[in-house]
Amino acid sequence: GQQLNQSPQSMFIQEGEDVSMNCTSSSIFNTWLWYKQDPGEGPVLLIALYKAGELTSNGRLTAQFGITRKDSFLNISASIPSDVGIYFCAGREGGSEKLVFGKGTKLTVNP
Amino acid sequence: GAVVSQHPSRVICKSGTSVKIECRSLDFQATTMFWYRQFPKQSLMLMATSNEGSKATYEQGVEKDKFLINHASLTLSTLTVTSAHPEDSSFYICSAGTGYDGETQYFGPGTRLLVL
Repeated sequence: GQQLNQSPQSMFIQEGEDVSMNCTSSSIFNTWLWYKQDPGEGPVLLIALYKAGELTSNGRLTAQFGITRKDSFLNISASIPSDVGIYFCAGREGGSEKLVFGKGTKLTVNP
Repeated sequence: GAVVSQHPSRVICKSGTSVKIECRSLDFQATTMFWYRQFPKQSLMLMATSNEGSKATYEQGVEKDKFLINHASLTLSTLTVTSAHPEDSSFYICSAGTGYDGETQYFGPGTRLLVL
């Protein structure tokens, strides 16, 4: 099925560093969602974006809904070891109930 | 708020048996629930969309007679894997939609199925 282009695929960073990941799509989305998944767990919603240009923060996390409605980024500031996991972006086209998922960004934080 | 539970969290069964997985929205009503399957180191693959009171909509390539979905109430959807085989072993995750148009999906913790 359709998938988003999510990059990077993996990141290895030192504790305290900032992180940025993004997703792009050939389709226009009405909703962008960012999730974090730990091993053996379901994805946990981090940030939800509903309007083009919207910039939303959740603690050390910041995400933006691109103006073109075809992209979104997620930033994590001052990373800590518990930020380790796989981050997924997901988008929803207008008129559709379904989410389209990126392939995930695996984040490793070295203490 | 927006908590989704799944039961069981893990199940091991013999080949040929059927397994039922429950998905519940604990603190909200969900007219739409979704069932996903996730293989190791891969993204989530949508299997079907479950609407309360109507038949589920299956994605292309997903056998509706193999993966039976029942959405009997606004807080409960079930997925039954019928006549399970080892290739059905996977991580099954449900989600429930909420918000103005159900646009925000909250996920359950997942069910690990191992078919021997």
